[in-house]
Amino acid sequence: DIQMTQSPSSLSASVGDRVIITCRASQTISRHLNWYQQKPRKAPELLISAASSLQSGVPSRFSGGGSGTEFTLTISSLQPEDFATYYCQQSYSAPWTFGQGTRLEIK
Amino acid sequence: QVQLVQSGAEVKKPGASVKISCKASGYIFSANAIHWVRQAPGQRFEWMGWINVGNGNTKYSENLQGRVTITRDTSASTVYMEVSSLRPEDTAVYYCARAYMVRGSEVFDPWGQGTLVTVSS
Repeated sequence: DIQMTQSPSSLSASVGDRVIITCRASQTISRHLNWYQQKPRKAPELLISAASSLQSGVPSRFSGGGSGTEFTLTISSLQPEDFATYYCQQSYSAPWTFGQGTRLEIK
Repeated sequence: QVQLVQSGAEVKKPGASVKISCKASGYIFSANAIHWVRQAPGQRFEWMGWINVGNGNTKYSENLQGRVTITRDTSASTVYMEVSSLRPEDTAVYYCARAYMVRGSEVFDPWGQGTLVTVSS
């Protein structure tokens, strides 16, 4: 199975900050990497697909990059509604696997 | 809008089975696969399996050792996921999710609201 590792696991930041979350795969996954946002007691929501394609309706302050084994999710200017947990997920090969999550908290 | 609505929370004893439903609306039901993913307390998401809603073909995670069965009822636009021989470690929130391709990458969107299954004696 492909192992996905996110860093950091948690992060404290302030409104207006620029934040970068990293996701590493245990083997190359080309650009088959998706990002989800999950708020407490809610289902995950798709933010970015294929490493860098912004989902319709997602604010442009979110962006994704990378290929191969290393990927990033960047939030250019944090807004209050962005404080949540973020997960990466590979769709290169089954079983589809997820990172452990990055919990973004208000400083 | 596209929506997946799951059945309610369940409490089961070890060794029992649980069957969760996922009713789809807002799109052509047979056009997309449905995946099931679970999240145990404090654990990362675990992919369980998926069904090709059009032809009924399925694929399951080997980690679940044949305890999972996914079926669909096209007349009801509903997918079902059954887990047998439940263990306390199967306690988790179970999600269904519609799958489609974006630039060659399969995504899960949207997800159902989740169903909490608690396994306890």
